Amino acid sequence: DTAVSQTPKYLVTQMGNDKSIKCEQNLGHDTMYWYKQDSKKFLKIMFSYNNKELIINETVPNRFSPKSPDKAHLNLHINSLELGDSAVYFCASSQAGLAANGELFFGEGSRLTVL
Amino acid sequence: AQSVTQLGSHVSVSEGALVLLRCNYSSSVPPYLFWYVQYPNQGLQLLLKYTSAATLVKGINGFEAEFKKSETSFHLTKPSAHMSDAAEYFCAVSGTGGFKTIFGAGTRLFVKA
Repeated sequence: DTAVSQTPKYLVTQMGNDKSIKCEQNLGHDTMYWYKQDSKKFLKIMFSYNNKELIINETVPNRFSPKSPDKAHLNLHINSLELGDSAVYFCASSQAGLAANGELFFGEGSRLTVL
Repeated sequence: AQSVTQLGSHVSVSEGALVLLRCNYSSSVPPYLFWYVQYPNQGLQLLLKYTSAATLVKGINGFEAEFKKSETSFHLTKPSAHMSDAAEYFCAVSGTGGFKTIFGAGTRLFVKA
């Protein structure tokens, strides 16, 4: 059983389109994240949700809108796609709270290509 | 604020040779430190973590890392490289509560036969 699963794995689309990526975790974690990995493999946090509440929003354009219907799901919707949005998007989850150490469990990634 | 610096974007070793991947961190609070590995077209998986217990941490696949507070370092080593170790390696740091993990730029390890 996959711990953190995201769909789709590959997404090819035209500039200006809107697309969504879905993520689900079955680890019982309270916190979920979206990370963006660019072509140079640099990983940057975009958003973090704890128990469905947004706790981190790292100066991401407002074309990106995360939604967490429950603590096991975190989806990412992107409006008006631009060439620079091409990247691999990773969903991750972790335990939360004072005893948490930040260990992340990652999905396989969703490779977005904007033409 | 926290940050991570990985020295060397590419490291090449021969099969059977020592692997040393360098990581230095900056943190205003006691850090939690991690090494993750990413194989081509896959997500990241945890190799090992330092969470303020033993300073020498052993991980999977024969890797280990030593936390040195005086040097603010957390270098990753493996005594003998295997072809299957070829991958991208990321050092990461987080603080208490673990809500925000910051990653280094990554080091690509090449293993020559």
